[in-house]
Amino acid sequence: SQQGEEDPQALSIQEGENATMNCSYKTSINNLQWYRQNSGRGLVHLILIRSNEREKHSGRLRVTLDTSKKSSSLLITASRAADTASYFCATDVGPGTASKLTFGTGTRLQVTL
Amino acid sequence: KAGVTQTPRYLIKTRGQQVTLSCSPISGHRSVSWYQQTPGQGLQFLFEYFSETQRNKGNFPGRFSGRQFSNSRSEMNVSTLELGDSALYLCASSSVPSGYNEQFFGPGTRLTVL
Repeated sequence: SQQGEEDPQALSIQEGENATMNCSYKTSINNLQWYRQNSGRGLVHLILIRSNEREKHSGRLRVTLDTSKKSSSLLITASRAADTASYFCATDVGPGTASKLTFGTGTRLQVTL
Repeated sequence: KAGVTQTPRYLIKTRGQQVTLSCSPISGHRSVSWYQQTPGQGLQFLFEYFSETQRNKGNFPGRFSGRQFSNSRSEMNVSTLELGDSALYLCASSSVPSGYNEQFFGPGTRLTVL
């Protein structure tokens, strides 16, 4: 079963608009990561936020984490056609040696001109 | 630095056969994780190797196995293939055990079982 659930499953916006994706997870985590995947290819790491952090920025990306609600959001500002991809959150669950990444179900983002 | 490489990129097999996939991590990375991606189940963790030891294992049957060599290259093997094994198999490497830091993914091996 999936640890994370992304919402919405699909999102279609126009270039220049902002895109917001949400991730909810079930168990306590050490960190949460966001990845991007272009059409059937490998994943690209976007950003990592640790459980003691609430917000992080990287270029046009802004990630928030609310551990009390077990949720995170990814905001992409001023979107571009090249941002069209699937976005996954991944949580690090398990203590110490049991630590591993568990991926959510993903949000498919379509950015049109 | 060269990225994570996976071979082969595409593979077609028939039911009952076995298959071996290979992953070469980024130089210096000691952790290699394997994932299966299907439209129905999404991205699922198979196993992780760190310094030649299996560090973690997902909920897959024993037909799925792996190993890591002293140069950190990793292979995964699937025996007695089933139609449901058709998937994109991704490997990822990192310098520390997975979960602690970002992982770098290869392009994947697309396996089709007929």
